[in-house]
Amino acid sequence: EPEVTQTPSHQVTQMGQEVILRCVPISNHLYFYWYRQILGQKVEFLVSFYNNEISEKSEIFDDQFSVERPDGSNFTLKIRSTKLEDSAMYFCASSEGMAGLNEKLFFGSGTQLSVL
Amino acid sequence: TQLLEQSPQFLSIQEGENLTVYCNSSSVFSSLQWYRQEPGEGPVLLVTVVTGGEVKKLKRLTFQFGDARKDSSLHITAAQPGDTGLYLCAGSNNFNKFYFGSGTKLNVKP
Repeated sequence: EPEVTQTPSHQVTQMGQEVILRCVPISNHLYFYWYRQILGQKVEFLVSFYNNEISEKSEIFDDQFSVERPDGSNFTLKIRSTKLEDSAMYFCASSEGMAGLNEKLFFGSGTQLSVL
Repeated sequence: TQLLEQSPQFLSIQEGENLTVYCNSSSVFSSLQWYRQEPGEGPVLLVTVVTGGEVKKLKRLTFQFGDARKDSSLHITAAQPGDTGLYLCAGSNNFNKFYFGSGTKLNVKP
């Protein structure tokens, strides 16, 4: 089965530093997403991306966050100046069509971000 | 923010028993998904339901979407230890952004 690949699996950073989380979605997929899960809490939507632009973002996705698909294969999430509360597991996901229209949504294994 | 409440939070049963977990909301959803998540892994999609009253079966798992599209249930027949995991429901109103419930942690003892 094809899979979404995320790197690194763990990232430790100092508060105020920039981090880039990387994802390689499944190759024929057109819709891309970032979700996060703070320890012990629900999985939360951050952003969806289609046709090289953000199609929707949540209130969590403020000016400190950005996404990019720089080369047609990678999909990155950048946090410009990390805060302690950004510590979470970040999941990338992709789907061939819009996820809710009976299209299968594939999640990566996540990047555990720890901000010290 | 649209809230999805899942119950029970924890369920521990013997192999061979049947179980049902629930996902409830006061909001109407265009679609609802069920996932299973193992520790240290991302959620794995089990099913998407989009029509009120819809029932879908996946081997021993039966998923139902409520008539009013506000709730859903997952029924497992003859549970096996391999069914152990965290079961999450997630609802969407625009097919783009999903709201997740807190999950039901299922443990099936051999």
